[in-house]
Amino acid sequence: GAVVSQHPSWVICKSGTSVKIECRSLDFQATTMFWYRQFPKQSLMLMATSNEGSKATYEQGVEKDKFLINHASLTLSTLTVTSAHPEDSSFYICSATAGVPYEQYFGPGTRLTVT
Amino acid sequence: GQQVMQIPQYQHVQEGEDFTTYCNSSTTLSNIQWYKQRPGGHPVFLIQLVKSGEVKKQKRLTFQFGEAKKNSSLHITATQTTDVGTYFCAGRPLYRGAQKLVFGQGTRLTINP
Repeated sequence: GAVVSQHPSWVICKSGTSVKIECRSLDFQATTMFWYRQFPKQSLMLMATSNEGSKATYEQGVEKDKFLINHASLTLSTLTVTSAHPEDSSFYICSATAGVPYEQYFGPGTRLTVT
Repeated sequence: GQQVMQIPQYQHVQEGEDFTTYCNSSTTLSNIQWYKQRPGGHPVFLIQLVKSGEVKKQKRLTFQFGEAKKNSSLHITATQTTDVGTYFCAGRPLYRGAQKLVFGQGTRLTINP
């Protein structure tokens, strides 16, 4: 149990376009979902925390207008990278938690390359 | 803001040797979790420690949470090639309603068979 999927697993897009990444909890209802960004050989940087039906809480330095997060249901959250630039190229990972004990289940990640 | 420091950044060992990674938080934690990320993969939950001074074991892995709930360690006895990966600690801040985890930088373990 506790499986989180992400789609797509990789995407290549041109500068200026927008890309949507989906994160789904397949066999549990996720009270909270998190979006992370990971650069090669580095740690996970939390971008935002989202609870179903409410606005996401963004970490300091993360542009909310550039990284749009929608958490429409207890099993789905989306991250849209708007007007993508090459510096947005990264590995984006979502995670979900079902509450106590707040163990986070990670999705397989989405590798975004902006050309 | 809160920081979680993890050392060493890299560790290379011979198969069969022991390995330890250490995690220190700038503030007291509610709990700490450990994750393993294999090369090319995503983080996978290993364990959560909640109580001051707690020690938990999973086969060859021993996890400790410090008495002050500000530091933690992961020790692997007699490493095997399957232990290769990056080990992250992640601390949960001690304030009401805290949901997020603050991740350490990770320790990348490589093993010479």
